[in-house]
Amino acid sequence: GENVEQHPSTLSVQEGDSAVIKCTYSDSASNYFPWYKQELGKRPQLIIDIRSNVGEKKDQRIAVTLNKTAKHFSLHITETQPEDSAVYFCAAFPSGNTGKLIFGQGTTLQVKP
Amino acid sequence: DARVTQTPRHKVTEMGQEVTMRCQPILGHNTVFWYRQTMMQGLELLAYFRNRAPLDDSGMPKDRFSAEMPDATLATLKIQPSEPRDSAVYFCASGPGGAYEQYFGPGTRLTVT
Repeated sequence: GENVEQHPSTLSVQEGDSAVIKCTYSDSASNYFPWYKQELGKRPQLIIDIRSNVGEKKDQRIAVTLNKTAKHFSLHITETQPEDSAVYFCAAFPSGNTGKLIFGQGTTLQVKP
Repeated sequence: DARVTQTPRHKVTEMGQEVTMRCQPILGHNTVFWYRQTMMQGLELLAYFRNRAPLDDSGMPKDRFSAEMPDATLATLKIQPSEPRDSAVYFCASGPGGAYEQYFGPGTRLTVT
């Protein structure tokens, strides 16, 4: 079955710097890759996603890239702000199943003012 | 802005008691997921439904946990009897048919003493 590995587990950056979180997946047939942001005590919120027919997607300061050959995808946050501090989860949707996302273990991002 | 709702938001109970958690998915969504989140295990999928039918409950301890969807607007997760190791945040999520996105509810924080 699908397995998703996420790195790093913790990331600390200065406000204004960029942050990059990487995930690898094992099932080459996976075709949907969302990213969730979870602030302390809150629900995971979908912030951006990418499908396997696209290599990159941007939404303001966040972007996701997908390398299908290498089976990895990354979240890029530019001009980080303290409110970006949260736990970020990547996930993969294996083709052929009926809706079950496979989540990475999460990255705790701390943006220092 | 439609959201998944969950009740109760917090529950403290004694070991051995029955616990029932409820979820109202976003209207029109036909897939419903139950997750458990702990610091040690991250996000674990317990069970999920499509069109009210259970598709996968392999993540759930069968002897004490049960999940149902009495109707399209209500999903329930029951623990009987509860144990201290069940202490966690339980999230419900729903997704639209034919798409991959999942939207999380606010969670139920369960403490079993």
